[in-house]
Amino acid sequence: AQTVTQSQPEMSVQEAETVTLSCTYDTSESDYYLFWYKQPPSRQMILVIRQEAYKQQNATENRFSVNFQKAAKSFSLKISDSQLGDAAMYFCAYRSAFAGKGGVGGAQKLVFGQGTRLTINP
Amino acid sequence: DAGITQSPRHKVTETGTPVTLRCHQTENHRYMYWYRQDPGHGLRLIHYSYGVKDTDKGEVSDGYSVSRSKTEDFLLTLESATSSQTSVYFCAISERVGLAGGSTDTQYFGPGTRLTVL
Repeated sequence: AQTVTQSQPEMSVQEAETVTLSCTYDTSESDYYLFWYKQPPSRQMILVIRQEAYKQQNATENRFSVNFQKAAKSFSLKISDSQLGDAAMYFCAYRSAFAGKGGVGGAQKLVFGQGTRLTINP
Repeated sequence: DAGITQSPRHKVTETGTPVTLRCHQTENHRYMYWYRQDPGHGLRLIHYSYGVKDTDKGEVSDGYSVSRSKTEDFLLTLESATSSQTSVYFCAISERVGLAGGSTDTQYFGPGTRLTVL
């Protein structure tokens, strides 16, 4: 079974600076997807960024980028120019690329890490 | 906004009572999921559905049952609630877009239900 580990329960950063959140995972599969979700105090789960394992290029979304190291099974999230609105719990998640039940693509079963609480200091 | 609502949003109940949580979606998504969120564990999959009347167990399914009699509704039932089921419950949906246009492969979450079992 796949596992996802976030070893930093809490992180803090000064506003406008850069912070990196760590995530490692364990799998025997060669094809999969990785995600970072953000959960602000409103409790809503918001997708931040996704990475396909077969792509060597690291995904980026505006101020958010990842460092995907497939051999090391590492998937860290870098937030540049941190803003007060970035304060939240951040969850790393894994999904197998193999088809799940329900036909092409199939159901996605996400495996989440424990989360990292990010605080932004003004 | 993927058109997902959950009801109730908050519930307090007593040990041994049955509880049903409802997830409702308005955009005809095929796949629906129930997760629970607990401190130190992130989110864990309870059950999921891959079509009307098609469901399967997730990682932490003991003590829970689900039903999906129509596309838009996915119900989670605790037959006899226990204190260990105190948690925040999230519903989610997904649907793989046709390969020609690229797959979204994105899972969208509802607002969550906070359940307290005394």
